[in-house]
Amino acid sequence: DADVTQTPRNRITKTGKRIMLECSQTKGHDRMYWYRQDPGLGLRLIYYSFDVKDINKGEISDGYSVSRQAQAKFSLSLESAIPNQTALYFCATSDPSGRENNEQFFGPGTRLTVL
Amino acid sequence: AQKVTQAQTEISVVEKEDVTLDCVYETRDTTYYLFWYKQPPSGELVFLIRRNSFDEQNEISGRYSWNFQKSTSSFNFTITASQVVDSAVYFCALSHGSGNTGKLIFGQGTTLQVKP
Repeated sequence: DADVTQTPRNRITKTGKRIMLECSQTKGHDRMYWYRQDPGLGLRLIYYSFDVKDINKGEISDGYSVSRQAQAKFSLSLESAIPNQTALYFCATSDPSGRENNEQFFGPGTRLTVL
Repeated sequence: AQKVTQAQTEISVVEKEDVTLDCVYETRDTTYYLFWYKQPPSGELVFLIRRNSFDEQNEISGRYSWNFQKSTSSFNFTITASQVVDSAVYFCALSHGSGNTGKLIFGQGTTLQVKP
């Protein structure tokens, strides 16, 4: 089974709708991240969390909110989706210590289309 | 400020050619980490390598090699004898060590097309 899973994998929604993207991990990492990928721009950080009580804005947090329900779960919400939020969204986890120091483990991505 | 630049937007080669993907980074930190990820057409991100700022040894893994030069702030990636399966988008990324947030700063990506 995959260490980092994302649901849904694909979603088409309409402008103004609320949508939630979910991420779960079995790696036992405290740190979780949400990125979005746009063509020609690489991946940009939306939010990140170091534990359930520590949530931080990233580079492009406007229009998004997050919830860290448990160590293993980190959800990204679009309260009122707009077309320019059409993108590929990735969740990631990391552990700052040990052999995997600073390596990020990515989920498979969620392709979101806002019409 | 931290920044990663991949100046090559798209590269096209014929199978068996060698190809180098460039990555230039900016950071004021003395401790940082550099990464390369591969994104095949299926969309997932595949980790290729991590290098910390104190280790300037070049690395070779099969047909892949990486050249890290702090003097020019570059971390270039070479594929030797390219194959069609190497066709993908490749991302270089930087994680700065101070504060150790683990956040990744990505370059824009280089799309590599390997033609048979």
